[in-house]
Amino acid sequence: DSGVTQTPKHLITATGQRVTLRCSPRSGDLSVYWYQQSLDQGLQFLIQYYNGEERAKGNILERFSAQQFPDLHSELNLSSLELGDSALYFCASSGEGEQFFGPGTRLTVL
Amino acid sequence: AQSVTQLGSHVSVSEGALVLLRCNYSSSVPPYLFWYVQYPNQGLQLLLKYTTGATLVKGINGFEAEFKKSETSFHLTKPSAHMSDAAEYFCALNTGNQFYFGTGTSLTVIP
Repeated sequence: DSGVTQTPKHLITATGQRVTLRCSPRSGDLSVYWYQQSLDQGLQFLIQYYNGEERAKGNILERFSAQQFPDLHSELNLSSLELGDSALYFCASSGEGEQFFGPGTRLTVL
Repeated sequence: AQSVTQLGSHVSVSEGALVLLRCNYSSSVPPYLFWYVQYPNQGLQLLLKYTTGATLVKGINGFEAEFKKSETSFHLTKPSAHMSDAAEYFCALNTGNQFYFGTGTSLTVIP
């Protein structure tokens, strides 16, 4: 158990909808990272937050947004969903120079 | 620019044979290097890491990796493959500000 929690575990929704994925980092970790993993794209870095502030941006679509709250949990919002957004979404937090990954949220867009 | 390259997206070995997964990196600062393993439908878990000091690092499940600065490599090895080693393996680099992941190597173990 990495100490990083993600909810929900599975999410099934329709095209055009909006969903919110939630992540709680390990106790004491200030950084949260979001990744998307799909069969054709591999593991793609989306965005990083550090203590509530956006720190780095990767291949994140404009339809996606994230935030980190004062209690350090983070949410990834995905809107106007398309079939191609179906993927595993991972959250990770970092401490001691390494990343600790959550179990992921599997998003299926029908 | 910082980057990680994993050579071979798919590697197959026989059970009991040597496992060698290749990783090369590019970094303008002293790197921290990691290997993660991902089993089907699970998150990534840390196998081992190199920060400073001894260049041969040992990890869980009998894996080890050697940091070779002159070759900018951090290859992962295991002397004898086990069926339970079948998984996806990711090499990663931390430059202090950001993490960079390789594209992953899928390891198949043949009985």
